[in-house]
Amino acid sequence: ETGVTQSPTHLIKTRGQQVTLRCSSQSGHNTVSWYQQALGQGPQFIFQYYREEENGRGNFPPRFSGLQFPNYSSELNVNALELDDSALYLCASSLAGDSNQPQHFGDGTRLSIL
Amino acid sequence: LAKTTQPISMDSYEGQEVNITCSHNNIATNDYITWYQQFPSQGPRFIIQGYKTKVTNEVASLFIPADRKSSTLSLPRVSLSDTAVYYCLVGDMGPGANNLFFGTGTRLTVIP
Repeated sequence: ETGVTQSPTHLIKTRGQQVTLRCSSQSGHNTVSWYQQALGQGPQFIFQYYREEENGRGNFPPRFSGLQFPNYSSELNVNALELDDSALYLCASSLAGDSNQPQHFGDGTRLSIL
Repeated sequence: LAKTTQPISMDSYEGQEVNITCSHNNIATNDYITWYQQFPSQGPRFIIQGYKTKVTNEVASLFIPADRKSSTLSLPRVSLSDTAVYYCLVGDMGPGANNLFFGTGTRLTVIP
């Protein structure tokens, strides 16, 4: 069984730039959620994708957007990067349809904004 | 989505049993209780999940009273490698469920 994988592991950008982060879901999973984790804080929900559509969104501005592909992998795109966007970005996958299935996380992408 | 309250930090000696309690007064009927462990610069790792009474797996036990307004994660005989942040989450994991509220978690430090 292949777990959740994210790329890249680390990334450095400057203010105003755009970034794309990638996630491959665990085999057998069809739902992907994205989280932002600032240093010393718990993960904060950004949004979830199910059947290639956004299926719920947290308190994040529209410059945070995403995609899910037919193979259930996903991308997180962030435009007009700000210094406060520096964080660990986590992807989690799960199997929708079974209420007893927890989300499984990747190890994240560490994004630093200069 | 039910929010949770847990102690900010706990210390324990190696070999002891550790119990971390989480309060979730507003838990809904369809909500499950899930615990995750997180090491620095890694993603949260699933530990255990339950709905009511007691659940046990190879690494932990989860105790849930009848009113489900709290839960206790029990780690038997902790080792130094159990030093981590532990998150209690409450939510509906069913179809369309999409938001896990993590809070700030409990930082467990295991002392030699």
